[in-house]
Amino acid sequence: DAGVTQSPTHLIKTRGQQVTLRCSPISGHKSVSWYQQVLGQGPQFIFQYYEKEERGRGNFPDRFSARQFPNYSSELNVNALLLGDSALYLCASRSNTGETSYEQYFGPGTRLTVT
Amino acid sequence: AQSVTQLDSHVSVSEGTPVLLRCNYSSSYSPSLFWYVQHPNKGLQLLLKYTSAATLVKGINGFEAEFKKSETSFHLTKPSAHMSDAAEYFCVVTPMDSSYKLIFGSGTRLLVRP
Repeated sequence: DAGVTQSPTHLIKTRGQQVTLRCSPISGHKSVSWYQQVLGQGPQFIFQYYEKEERGRGNFPDRFSARQFPNYSSELNVNALLLGDSALYLCASRSNTGETSYEQYFGPGTRLTVT
Repeated sequence: AQSVTQLDSHVSVSEGTPVLLRCNYSSSYSPSLFWYVQHPNKGLQLLLKYTSAATLVKGINGFEAEFKKSETSFHLTKPSAHMSDAAEYFCVVTPMDSSYKLIFGSGTRLLVRP
């Protein structure tokens, strides 16, 4: 089975622009979470979606938004980009059932560079 | 609030020698704890997890960790390092009241010398 997939792999944007990142979870996983990993730091939680509803939000400004589609894929949108938004954006999916419900599986990430 | 502290930003070992990566956690109740590994330009991979079952947890690639409540620690060990173990390692906690959220430590970079 395919793992978590993310697109694009790399992205370069200019300050003030908007960006959309995409994520497809593991087949059968209904929960998707987004994390931001700034260079040299651990990932920081941004959002979690389950069954197309937002179930959790981290300490990020309203410029960050997300949604989940009926097929459980997800998009992360960031408006009015700042230089500080440059980071690796990671998507993780989770089964929410059984003994593996605590395990989150990460995609390879999207490297966003804001110039 | 729950948090984890990784006590070493860098650890350097020789190939074939033991590995010890240290992690202390802060939690008002028994948390779920994980270790993830991140190889360069790759995503995060789950090494092992503790979810209130056995305190000694065995993971992939020969790694294991021991949950010690009295010391609030969850150190990661491996008897013999391989060159392929060189990577960034993250200790992670999940709060009991929001199990969907992973709280990462700042990471420990493991260097393996030939």
